[in-house]
Amino acid sequence: AQKVTQAQTEISVVEKEDVTLDCVYETRDTTYYLFWYKQPPSGELVFLIRRNSFDEQNEISGRYSWNFQKSTSSFNFTITASQVVDSAVYFCALWGCTSYGKLTFGQGTILTVHP
Amino acid sequence: GAVVSQHPSRVICKSGTSVKIECRSLDFQATTMFWYRQFPKQSLMLMATSNEGSKATYEQGVEKDKFLINHASLTLSTLTVTSAHPEDSSFYICSATGPSSYNEQFFGPGTRLTVL
Repeated sequence: AQKVTQAQTEISVVEKEDVTLDCVYETRDTTYYLFWYKQPPSGELVFLIRRNSFDEQNEISGRYSWNFQKSTSSFNFTITASQVVDSAVYFCALWGCTSYGKLTFGQGTILTVHP
Repeated sequence: GAVVSQHPSRVICKSGTSVKIECRSLDFQATTMFWYRQFPKQSLMLMATSNEGSKATYEQGVEKDKFLINHASLTLSTLTVTSAHPEDSSFYICSATGPSSYNEQFFGPGTRLTVL
């Protein structure tokens, strides 16, 4: 069985602060993919990143960065210099090669960035 | 590329009526489509998986007679909520994968259903 845990239900920060969203996963698959999605108030899921299990390189995209550590089964997401527009719900998700194409989502973290 | 649309984006209906939601892949052939339901402040819950031309596979606890899924073509899947009741009010999201994107789902914008 696969599981994704986002222990932080809600995070509140002030603009320009850095914030890290945690994601811990469980899977027995050796081949798997991890995802992060942003869901703004409009509801539409916005794809942020996909990372496969064989690529542990950290990635940076503008103010966003991701830290993938297989040793701790974590795939954390950091927003640097947060902005009000970053306020949204963020979901971490896992796809395993034996999951029949299904994605397992974490519970989501509500991020509120105050001006 | 890889755009998925949903129609309608918002629907309000009376209790007892049936509502059909369409999910279309606009620029690729969707071999598999997924339907999710999301209640306020909760995560996405997978309802069913459908492959073109075959019956949908429902997740445990999802009533197949209540939520009818049809995936008649490689670009269209429909979800019909039959005899809708207020407890069916939710945000319904579809996603699709293509033959070259089996490990990535492309999500539609969602449909907000309110049953009065």
